[in-house]
Amino acid sequence: QVQLVQSGAEVRKPGTSVMISCQASGFIFSNYYMHWVRQAPGQGLEWMGIINPRGHSPTYAQRFQGRVTMTRDTTTLYMELDSLTSDDTAVYYCVREEGGSYALDWGQGTPVIVSS
Amino acid sequence: ETVLTQSPATLSLSPGDTATLSCRASQSVSTYLAWYQQHPGQPPRLLIHDASKRATGIPPRFSGSGSGTDFTLTISSLEPEDFAVYYCQQRTNWRWTFGQGTKVELK
Repeated sequence: QVQLVQSGAEVRKPGTSVMISCQASGFIFSNYYMHWVRQAPGQGLEWMGIINPRGHSPTYAQRFQGRVTMTRDTTTLYMELDSLTSDDTAVYYCVREEGGSYALDWGQGTPVIVSS
Repeated sequence: ETVLTQSPATLSLSPGDTATLSCRASQSVSTYLAWYQQHPGQPPRLLIHDASKRATGIPPRFSGSGSGTDFTLTISSLEPEDFAVYYCQQRTNWRWTFGQGTKVELK
């Protein structure tokens, strides 16, 4: 079955960076667009960006432009977020896109806490 | 950016009631609209895609309708496990946005 297994919780200080990984199995990873979505405590879902099956030309949400980098290799998706602030405290999800427009499968989520 | 506005923010209902959730887009999204259910501490689960198509394994009490800018998720005869937060999501030019969510709570 499809599995998206994310790396574990992270604690960072303001101004630093974090990288989260998402290991895919159970499907042909290289055929799928992948996304990152985050959710701050008690808040809604926020789309961060998309990366195409070959890993070329990711598209990022405007508010993360210049601060986020999404990459992938043959089995794993990565997301690096720089210049962290307390507003980046959230659970980060990797997502497999289906049908060109919706999220069929979600990782278990990676909590990131940014605190001095 | 296409903004999705969900209403109401909270719906207080009893098991067996029918829930009607609304999602309005700031511009037409055709039928590129999905609905998700989220329980606390869990990732969202896809319910409906392409405005009206139930995802695999989703019971028929969940139905979606609409196109363009106005969409509805209907949950008929609420079961205890249906009390959760529901989000709509759209895709425009490779970019996604989500609505702010509707919480269906026990009355």
